[in-house]
Amino acid sequence: DAMVIQNPRYQVTQFGKPVTLSCSQTLNHNVMYWYQQKSSQAPKLLFHYYDKDFNNEADTPDNFQSRRPNTSFCFLDIRSPGLGDAAMYLCATSRSLAGSRQFFGPGTRLTVL
Amino acid sequence: DAKTTQPNSMESNEEEPVHLPCNHSTISGTDYIHWYRQLPSQGPEYVIHGLTSNVNNRMASLAIAEDRKSSTLILHRATLRDAAVYYCILESLLGGSARQLTFGSGTQLTVLP
Repeated sequence: DAMVIQNPRYQVTQFGKPVTLSCSQTLNHNVMYWYQQKSSQAPKLLFHYYDKDFNNEADTPDNFQSRRPNTSFCFLDIRSPGLGDAAMYLCATSRSLAGSRQFFGPGTRLTVL
Repeated sequence: DAKTTQPNSMESNEEEPVHLPCNHSTISGTDYIHWYRQLPSQGPEYVIHGLTSNVNNRMASLAIAEDRKSSTLILHRATLRDAAVYYCILESLLGGSARQLTFGSGTQLTVLP
């Protein structure tokens, strides 16, 4: 049974056209994360929520925003995608913070034309 | 800032033990050490994590050096299904619900039949 679900699995957008990626979880975990992973690189944390408490990584571009309307859902909004934003976007959850195991979704591969 | 260093690639024969090293010489006292692995086109999968003591679970063992500046992930009997990229990650607590997750560049493990 899927625990962390990402939709869509593949997303194509045009340069500068806003796009939203979604993530949902059935684990009732407090923490949700968004990562960006470019080809042959390690995932890079963009931001995370502990409940409604939002934490942005210092080097996450302003072009990337996130929303968490409730425990189960979290969204990644890219306001004006550039060619450099083409990547795999991974959502993950964990029950709590320190030393807590993360459960990853399958990812959404974003293509920017 | 914390930093992790891993070899780019390693090979192992099937059914033999594998030792995957990670250096994290800038680790601080409250940083957790995590290991995840990733298959192509999938999200990362949790393997093991620890703080100070060695850890064992059904997938692997984690050996942490006494000074905590390095750790080794041990797969006791490699199988073909263990072929993946293995990431060593430091989790640093920054205060409140803020955290920093520092990924190594990953080790591509090849298992030879």
